[in-house]
Amino acid sequence: GAGVSQTPSNKVTEKGKYVELRCDPISGHTALYWYRQSLGQGPEFLIYFQGTGAADDSGLPNDRFFAVRPEGSVSTLKIQRTERGDSAVYLCASSLNAGPGTGELFFGEGSRLTVL
Amino acid sequence: GEDVEQSLFLSVREGDSSVINCTYTDSSSTYLYWYKQEPGAGLQLLTYIFSNMDMKQDQRLTVLLNKKDKHLSLRIADTQTGDSAIYFCAEIPRGSTLGRLYFGRGTQLTVWP
Repeated sequence: GAGVSQTPSNKVTEKGKYVELRCDPISGHTALYWYRQSLGQGPEFLIYFQGTGAADDSGLPNDRFFAVRPEGSVSTLKIQRTERGDSAVYLCASSLNAGPGTGELFFGEGSRLTVL
Repeated sequence: GEDVEQSLFLSVREGDSSVINCTYTDSSSTYLYWYKQEPGAGLQLLTYIFSNMDMKQDQRLTVLLNKKDKHLSLRIADTQTGDSAIYFCAEIPRGSTLGRLYFGRGTQLTVWP
């Protein structure tokens, strides 16, 4: 597709379960970002990949959160032992590069996670 | 750069101008952005301004930047019902990872016919 694709669009899980959220960036975009948007809030940065490596993971809230991008394209955000407070929309974005510029991030529609 | 402030709601009549205000935190922020979020859709970049500019105009959109007061505004001329959405102000503070945006909570714009 032409845009950033995220799956699943909705995920309902029980407290304590493991969850994976997938992001397919725009083809050729080397930079990939995960953000989290809680209800009534603006998006908050979680992690940024440049290629395969996590260049900045300082936004991950704790060690239950982990993300990978093994081939420099698709990324998976993994959440272990989910808690009710993890309920949010998880947004993925990509950009052509992360150098100085407009900062135009192209966002996907998000994966809405609900932890019961 | 964690406390970008915006008013939460704005209502205007179709055809009027809308002005959405934002106060950001870092006077050294190099880039400031306005994003739009419609229901069920991803965030869309509307416009941006570099810190060395005071104003930027793009069709119906006018961005004003007051660096002294760390104030950013977005004016939408001839507002249409299709402009109803949540508008987010965002900054990248100096020294921050490029692409690491700090967003406000968003302003819900409602346009009445």
